[in-house]
Amino acid sequence: DIQMTQSPSALSASVGDRVTLTCRASQDISNYLAWFQQKPGKAPKSLIYDASSLQNWVPSKFSGSGSGTDFTLTISSLQPEDVATYYCQQYHNYPFTFGGGTKVEIK
Amino acid sequence: EVQLVQSGAEVKKPGESLKISCKVSGHSFPTYWIGWVRQMPGKGLEWMGVIYPDDSKTKYSPAFQGQVTMSVDKSISTAYLQWSSLKASDTAMYYCARQDYGDYSSLLEWGQGTLVTVSS
Repeated sequence: DIQMTQSPSALSASVGDRVTLTCRASQDISNYLAWFQQKPGKAPKSLIYDASSLQNWVPSKFSGSGSGTDFTLTISSLQPEDVATYYCQQYHNYPFTFGGGTKVEIK
Repeated sequence: EVQLVQSGAEVKKPGESLKISCKVSGHSFPTYWIGWVRQMPGKGLEWMGVIYPDDSKTKYSPAFQGQVTMSVDKSISTAYLQWSSLKASDTAMYYCARQDYGDYSSLLEWGQGTLVTVSS
């Protein structure tokens, strides 16, 4: 199985900060990577697919990049409504696997 | 608009059986894989497997193979996840989600989740 490792596991930043989350795959997954946002008590929501393509309901402050084994999710200006846990997932090989998540809080 | 509506919370005893459902509307049900994801209390997301409604082809994570069974009823656009003998460790929130078109694609829309509690 492909292992997905996210870092950091948690971060605290100020409103307006640029925040970057990292996801690393244990082998080359090309761009078969998605990012999800899960707010407390809610179902996950798809943000990005194919490593850098935004779902059409996602604001442009979110962006994704990377290919191969290293990927990033960036929030350009952190807002209180962005408090959530963010997960990456690879869909290059079955079983598709999630990273452990990064919890984002406001300082 | 695609919607996935899951069945309500369940409280069961160890050893009991259970089948939870995920009703899909707003798209061509047979031609998109439906996935199941587990989230244990306070933990992250775990991919359990997917099922292709048109022919009921399945792909299970090795961690869940033999522990659960995925099925569908195309006539009512509903996917199911079932257990024959629940354990306390099955206590979790279970989500269904629709995968984008194709065998290797990301999850798009998600259900609201079904909380399963297994306790004696």
